[in-house]
Amino acid sequence: NAGVTQTPKFQVLKTGQSMTLQCAQDMNHNSMYWYRQDPGMGLRLIYYSASEGTTDKGEVPNGYNVSRLNKREFSLRLESAAPSQTSVYFCASRRRANTGELFFGEGSRLTVL
Amino acid sequence: AQTVTQSQPEMSVQEAETVTLSCTYDTSESDYYLFWYKQPPSRQMILVIRQEAYKQQNATENRFSVNFQKAAKSFSLKISDSQLGDAAMYFCAYRETGNQFYFGTGTSLTVIP
Repeated sequence: NAGVTQTPKFQVLKTGQSMTLQCAQDMNHNSMYWYRQDPGMGLRLIYYSASEGTTDKGEVPNGYNVSRLNKREFSLRLESAAPSQTSVYFCASRRRANTGELFFGEGSRLTVL
Repeated sequence: AQTVTQSQPEMSVQEAETVTLSCTYDTSESDYYLFWYKQPPSRQMILVIRQEAYKQQNATENRFSVNFQKAAKSFSLKISDSQLGDAAMYFCAYRETGNQFYFGTGTSLTVIP
């Protein structure tokens, strides 16, 4: 049972380069999320998708785009990476039940030089 | 956006002793959900315990229990018989009946042998 799988685990980019973080879940969850984690700031929501075909902005969406490819997959794209986007990124998913908690991937550490 | 406050950036506890981590939140809602997540050095986010606001009884999971004070908007985590494996960053999280989760900035727990 893989749960939530993120790729890549580590990535180094130069300023201005683009990249996509991939996320897939095998739990048949409806909702999927992308968070970033920075020291002293907890987890901040970038984008989420309540269900297949919908996406919504979170607290810090600038500089990012997302695609909910199907029910399983939710990707995060950095079109022109900036040093301020150096962070650890987490994908998470949740079933729709009210008590549903978030299930997280292992995180992706991104460094932008 | 809702706010979740963890006022203790760092805590330490002797092995086998008890420690309490604090969390307060701001909301005008009556129906919501609260969670504690653990993040060990492996970076994986793991659910420790959850509480539904409509339940008066405090949640308990083995050595982990909460003190939920709805009127005070307080949700503290008590870890009994602390073990070396409890050393981690702990995050408090809040969710209303919608999709967004709000996280605190975390408390780093050190367990002293």
